[in-house]
Amino acid sequence: AQTVTQSQPEMSVQEAETVTLSCTYDTSESDYYLFWYKQPPSRQMILVIRQEAYKQQNATENRFSVNFQKAAKSFSLKISDSQLGDAAMYFCAYTSLYGGSQGNLIFGKGTKLSVKP
Amino acid sequence: DSGVTQTPKHLITATGQRVTLRCSPRSGDLSVYWYQQSLDQGLQFLIQYYNGEERAKGNILERFSAQQFPDLHSELNLSSLELGDSALYFCASSEGQGDQPQHFGDGTRLSIL
Repeated sequence: AQTVTQSQPEMSVQEAETVTLSCTYDTSESDYYLFWYKQPPSRQMILVIRQEAYKQQNATENRFSVNFQKAAKSFSLKISDSQLGDAAMYFCAYTSLYGGSQGNLIFGKGTKLSVKP
Repeated sequence: DSGVTQTPKHLITATGQRVTLRCSPRSGDLSVYWYQQSLDQGLQFLIQYYNGEERAKGNILERFSAQQFPDLHSELNLSSLELGDSALYFCASSEGQGDQPQHFGDGTRLSIL
């Protein structure tokens, strides 16, 4: 069974600085998607970024970028120029391209990010 | 605003009771997904419907059931409630059946007393 591990329960960053959140996963499949979701105190889940495993190029969305290392099964999220609004829980998630549903997201336990002014 | 509407936002009930959570997907989305977020289990996929048909099942208990209606709104029914069912229940939607959930609702906070 696939698993997703976020080893950092909490992280802190100074406003305008850069922070990297770690995520590792375990799978025997070769094709899959990886995601980072943000959950602010308002509790809504917001998709931050998505990476297709077959793409070697790392995904980027404005200040958010990932470092996808397929062989190492690592998928870290880098937030540049951190803003107060980035403070939230961040969840790493995996879904297989095979089988029943790509909606069957497997989530990590989350990393709580604090941003200091 | 994601366009996904969940009602109610909060629900407080007792053990043994039955509740229904409602979700209206974003306009144009045919797939609806249900997730449970609890302190013990984290975020777990429960079930997906596409255009009225069950598409995939995750870790959904037999006491739980769901359906998607012709107008595409979905309901998650939880029965014989236990203390451990206290959680945040999310609905999400996407356009196709092979997609990943794109838009999440704000969730329904269920508290079992």
